Amino acid sequence: NAGVTQTPKFRILKIGQSMTLQCTQDMNHNYMYWYRQDPGMGLKLIYYSVGAGITDKGEVPNGYNVSRSTTEDFPLRLELAAPSQTSVYFCASSSLLANEQFFGPGTRLTVL
Amino acid sequence: GQNIDQPTEMTATEGAIVQINCTYQTSGFNGLFWYQQHAGEAPTFLSYNVLDGLEEKGRFSSFLSRSKGYSYLLLKELQMKDSASYLCAVRLDSNYQLIWGAGTKLIIKP
Repeated sequence: NAGVTQTPKFRILKIGQSMTLQCTQDMNHNYMYWYRQDPGMGLKLIYYSVGAGITDKGEVPNGYNVSRSTTEDFPLRLELAAPSQTSVYFCASSSLLANEQFFGPGTRLTVL
Repeated sequence: GQNIDQPTEMTATEGAIVQINCTYQTSGFNGLFWYQQHAGEAPTFLSYNVLDGLEEKGRFSSFLSRSKGYSYLLLKELQMKDSASYLCAVRLDSNYQLIWGAGTKLIIKP
């Protein structure tokens, strides 16, 4: 099992550009999450999904969109990149009733 | 609002014991998690407490007091590889959401 995989690992965007961060899990987990982690701050939940076709906003959803067409994939879309979106983005997944979240390796995004 | 407090940084000596505290003030409570995060890497799960008391797992133990809004992570027989950040997170209810502390950076010295 690969667990949770994310691409790309690093990316530099110009202000106003768009991009999609990819996330895939092979553990057949129903729950998937997108977090951002800024220096000196706790992880902040952007969006989450409880199953294919169902998504909902977390604490900091503005400027982002998600979709969940399959159990395995949960891409995060940035439409108009802003410097405030410079961060490390983690995707995570968990089974329906489990306590543990499994994290991907992260995407380091810089917006200039 | 939701608030989780942890010390920003702690230093300890190889072979010693260290206790990392976490206090929380949240609108609900359905469990407290500890994760370890090495620099530049993803968080990995360490422990979970939902009832008061101590949970032991090898060199690591985690304690919870719900009435005091307090938890600690105890690391014994410290090794250099334990140098990492330790993240405390509270699950607000039976739903998905975790509120995360900013993490405690633990530095282990020989």
